[in-house]
Amino acid sequence: NAGVTQTPKFQVLKTGQSMTLQCAQDMNHNSMYWYRQDPGMGLRLIYYSASEGTTDKGEVPNGYNVSRLNKREFSLRLESAAPSQTSVYFCASTRPGDEQYFGPGTRLTVT
Amino acid sequence: AQSVTQPDIHITVSEGASLELRCNYSYGATPYLFWYVQSPGQGLQLLLKYFSGDTLVQGIKGFEAEFKRSQSSFNLRKPSVHWSDAAEYFCAVGAHGGSQGNLIFGKGTKLSVKP
Repeated sequence: NAGVTQTPKFQVLKTGQSMTLQCAQDMNHNSMYWYRQDPGMGLRLIYYSASEGTTDKGEVPNGYNVSRLNKREFSLRLESAAPSQTSVYFCASTRPGDEQYFGPGTRLTVT
Repeated sequence: AQSVTQPDIHITVSEGASLELRCNYSYGATPYLFWYVQSPGQGLQLLLKYFSGDTLVQGIKGFEAEFKRSQSSFNLRKPSVHWSDAAEYFCAVGAHGGSQGNLIFGKGTKLSVKP
């Protein structure tokens, strides 16, 4: 039982490049989330998916897209990376009335 | 508006001293509450959670928290801090009966421990 896994762990991009962050969970959770974490800002929700086939914007969705590929997988795509997207990205999953389970994070640097 | 406030950005305590981290929330519905801990370079780990019942909840690593509805607070405590407790701590709130499990997080309190 791996919980929530994220790939890659580290990534360096040049401005304008694109990439996809992958997230998978094996807990049969309906809800999945993407957050970014920046110093002094806590966790800010980018997008979430309440169930397979649905996605909704969070607090800071600009510059990102998501895909809920199936119940297990929820990917985050940066189409044209900007230095302001340098951050640590966390994926999480949950079921109603339970805690959120977090992945180990992806450290992204955009130069 | 729904929000979580952790008033202390950074706290330093001596090893062996007691600790209290503050958390205040503003939430329209009956809340359920969480404390998470994040060690440097790591993901978030759940310390404890309150859903209902006894307002004093026990968590891992010797931590406890008390839900005070009248004060809209959920403060985290530990009687004797260890050097390994140095980390960042996040309070979070969600809604009872919520169909999605969305949480609102505070901005975190960084704990440093002096030897």
